[in-house]
Amino acid sequence: DTGVSQDPRHKITKRGQNVTFRCDPISEHNRLYWYRQTLGQGPEFLTYFQNEAQLEKSRLLSDRFSAERPKGSFSTLEIQRTEQGDSAMYLCASSLVQGGNEKLFFGSGTQLSVL
Amino acid sequence: GDSVTQMEGPVTLSEEAFLTINCTYTATGYPSLFWYVQYPGEGLQLLLKATKADDKGSNKGFEATYRKETTSFHLEKGSVQVSDSAVYFCAPKAAGNKLTFGGGTRVLVKP
Repeated sequence: DTGVSQDPRHKITKRGQNVTFRCDPISEHNRLYWYRQTLGQGPEFLTYFQNEAQLEKSRLLSDRFSAERPKGSFSTLEIQRTEQGDSAMYLCASSLVQGGNEKLFFGSGTQLSVL
Repeated sequence: GDSVTQMEGPVTLSEEAFLTINCTYTATGYPSLFWYVQYPGEGLQLLLKATKADDKGSNKGFEATYRKETTSFHLEKGSVQVSDSAVYFCAPKAAGNKLTFGGGTRVLVKP
């Protein structure tokens, strides 16, 4: 169990550019979540997957944001035409749901800075 | 939708002091309740949880009791250590399977 990995740890980009983040969950975890956290705030839910199916998306997830989990393992989060307001820490979490119990394990996040 | 109100920080304490962080929530249905902690330079990690009314979650000397009548889940520790310095997040988990986090409370424990 190596934990949830996120890549890159930091990303600096210019406004208008596209960026993609990757999340590798704990092996065999069937759920994967994306959250966004701005400085001094709690994480805000963006979306989650059950295996490869995307089951819920927040209204925060505008049409510039897209997430995939093609094989039910790793996931990517893409932001197109980035804006300065997209600057935040993007967190990934995974869990194994068994018998109604669920414990989320979070990665260290990808810090995005849009200049 | 679900929402959480937790006391704003920073909370500055001396070692061995008593710590309370208030948390109240609104949620549909009957949520499970969680406290997560974020130590400096580390990712979020689960501190404790409670899944039904009057349950008490506990871990590392921290406790929180699920109070359905007051929709609260206050976090307490009787004697804090410098190593407890961190940001603490209250989070109910109700309909929709997602955690809803509060704004976080930064705690600084001085020796």
